[in-house]
Amino acid sequence: KQEVTQIPAALSVPEGENLVLNCSFTDSAIYNLQWFRQDPGKGLTSLLLIQSSQREQTSGRLNASLDKSSGRSTLYIAASQPGDSATYLCAARGLQGNTPLVFGKGTRLSVIA
Amino acid sequence: DAGVTQSPTHLIKTRGQQVTLRCSPKSGHDTVSWYQQALGQGPQFIFQYYEEEERQRGNFPDRFSGHQFPNYSSELNVNALLLGDSALYLCASSLLWDREFWTGELFFGEGSRLTVL
Repeated sequence: KQEVTQIPAALSVPEGENLVLNCSFTDSAIYNLQWFRQDPGKGLTSLLLIQSSQREQTSGRLNASLDKSSGRSTLYIAASQPGDSATYLCAARGLQGNTPLVFGKGTRLSVIA
Repeated sequence: DAGVTQSPTHLIKTRGQQVTLRCSPKSGHDTVSWYQQALGQGPQFIFQYYEEEERQRGNFPDRFSGHQFPNYSSELNVNALLLGDSALYLCASSLLWDREFWTGELFFGEGSRLTVL
């Protein structure tokens, strides 16, 4: 059974700092991994999707990497801004195309101005 | 291009009551999944619908049921509500996994916040 863990649970950084959020998964047989952002009381916004054949994906100041062999993914945020404050969730999908996403509990990020 | 829409956004019920939540998928999507997110937790998979049938189900009791309509919209029904059913209910849409342009990316709505008193 796939389990996804995100460490740390919460992170506070000053504005402008570069930061890394970590995601680990127990079963390396994944189809893809997706990173989401969630603002308080809101739904999930898809940030990046990495297919199992890819090593990284980039979107603006965000870069996500995937290392299946070690069961790890990282989300790198460059030059953080107060508007980046949110909870970041990662989710892994199993190899069979129709398997549901398995989520971590998220990392709550606060960027202090 | 409308994204995933859900209604209502907030609702309050008492124990034992029944609730229906609604979801319209992103334009062009034919598969709808429902997730439950308790406070401080990651979303948990409830079930998935396509072609108007429940195709997969997570570890949720039969009190949780659903429906998908010919226009791909979906409903989630919860009977005999318990205090522990208080959560954010998220709907996600995608293409069916064996469609030509399927990437496995899920798109979520804003959720329905259910409070059970």
